[in-house]
Amino acid sequence: KAGVTQTPRYLIKTRGQQVTLSCSPISGHRSVSWYQQTPGQGLQFLFEYFSETQRNKGNFPGRFSGRQFSNSRSEMNVSTLELGDSALYLCASSYRTISTDTQYFGPGTRLTVL
Amino acid sequence: EDQVTQSPEALRLQEGESSSLNCSYTVSGLRGLFWYRQDPGKGPEFLFTLYSAGEEKEKERLKATLTKKESFLHITAPKPEDSATYLCAVQASGNTPLVFGKGTRLSVIA
Repeated sequence: KAGVTQTPRYLIKTRGQQVTLSCSPISGHRSVSWYQQTPGQGLQFLFEYFSETQRNKGNFPGRFSGRQFSNSRSEMNVSTLELGDSALYLCASSYRTISTDTQYFGPGTRLTVL
Repeated sequence: EDQVTQSPEALRLQEGESSSLNCSYTVSGLRGLFWYRQDPGKGPEFLFTLYSAGEEKEKERLKATLTKKESFLHITAPKPEDSATYLCAVQASGNTPLVFGKGTRLSVIA
C-alpha cells in the first residue's frame, strides 16, 4: 500500500507571497491532519479534515487554511507569508476503527521563507 | 489542557547500552498514546499505539509500556541505526487532535 505523499518536498518563497501544499493520504483513509514542525515549538497541530469537513482546528492565524477534496486529497494554503512560517509541514492520514486511530505521516514539505 | 513532556531532551548511548525514554502526560480521558520515530528531514514513522494502563508492545529492540501518568520506551542493546528523535503523542477521547511532546534525540555511538 502506498504511503502518504506530499508535494512539493521543498519550497522557497519570499515574505508576502502565498503557498499551497498538497497531501495525498493512504488509500482508504478519510481523515487528513496537518502539522507544523519547527525546532523550537516541535509538532503543532494546524487542522484536521474528515470527509471534506474541517473537524478540528489548531491555534494558528487565519492566514493558514485548508481543504479536502472528495477523493480525500487535501491542500493547505498559507497567505501573506512571514519569516516565522519557515518550517517542515507534515500531513498525516488515519483510518479510525473502534480499536485504533493511528496517524501515518508523509515525508513533509520543507518551506523556507526569505 | 492536554500536555506531554518527554525526558531527557537528548540521550547519548554506547552501542549495546540499554536505556529508557520517558513520556509524562496529562489528558482528559486517554484514547491512545502514540510513539513515533523521526529521522532528520523526514516525517515521523509510527512505532506503537497504547490504549490502557498496563499495556506493553514490542518491536525488535523497542518496548513501550503505559501507566496512568506516563509511558516508557525501553531500548534494549541499541545499535547506531536506532539513532533518531523519538516522539510521544496523546489523543484524548472524542475526535480530538494529537498532542505531541518535543521529543528525545537519541544518539547511539558504535
